[in-house]
Amino acid sequence: GESVGLHLPTLSVQEGDNSIINCAYSNSASDYFIWYKQESGKGPQFIIDIRSNMDKRQGQRVTVLLNKTVKHLSLQIAATQPGDSAVYFCAEITPIMDTGRRALTFGSGTRLQVQP
Amino acid sequence: NAGVTQTPKFQVLKTGQSMTLQCAQDMNHNSMYWYRQDPGMGLRLIYYSASEGTTDKGEVPNGYNVSRLNKREFSLRLESAAPSQTSVYFCASSEARSLRDQETQYFGPGTRLLVL
Repeated sequence: GESVGLHLPTLSVQEGDNSIINCAYSNSASDYFIWYKQESGKGPQFIIDIRSNMDKRQGQRVTVLLNKTVKHLSLQIAATQPGDSAVYFCAEITPIMDTGRRALTFGSGTRLQVQP
Repeated sequence: NAGVTQTPKFQVLKTGQSMTLQCAQDMNHNSMYWYRQDPGMGLRLIYYSASEGTTDKGEVPNGYNVSRLNKREFSLRLESAAPSQTSVYFCASSEARSLRDQETQYFGPGTRLLVL
């Protein structure tokens, strides 16, 4: 079946650098995307979301970019800090044809390691 | 606002024992969810409830039962625990009103369950 996936399982960056975490999705019908951050021993925490009618959305130190042409989603973290070390995963929401329902599918995650 | 709370934080069971995981949210959300998270497999939906008094099976419901006690509380019960149910269990809630909706889900801190 179609699913959300991630290009890199682990990303290591230096403190102060910018981080880019990528996510590929295969369902062109998906119309809403969410990024979550999960720190060790904690539940997933909402970071930012974007709807398919947008290409870019900015939050505090984070930016999500959506490229519908190539079905690619990225999370950019500016001036990465040690506290940003966590697993990041994307989720997509997709209308299920002929049911009126919508499905939420989570990716498996990318681990971000911030080196001091 | 406490958000989503879960109890207990950690539990050890012997095979065949039963237990109930508790979840409560104070955000007046309509929908609540139970997930399990296993290494390398991401989040998998066990059961969800779109409103008080309604529950539906998710991706991996076998071996579990749920109860939506009221709008705030959604419990997950293991009647006869098996080692395969060793996992981290997360409860989540969202503003979604039905299966036709999907909104950002907010997660609790998790319950770590070990079945011997």
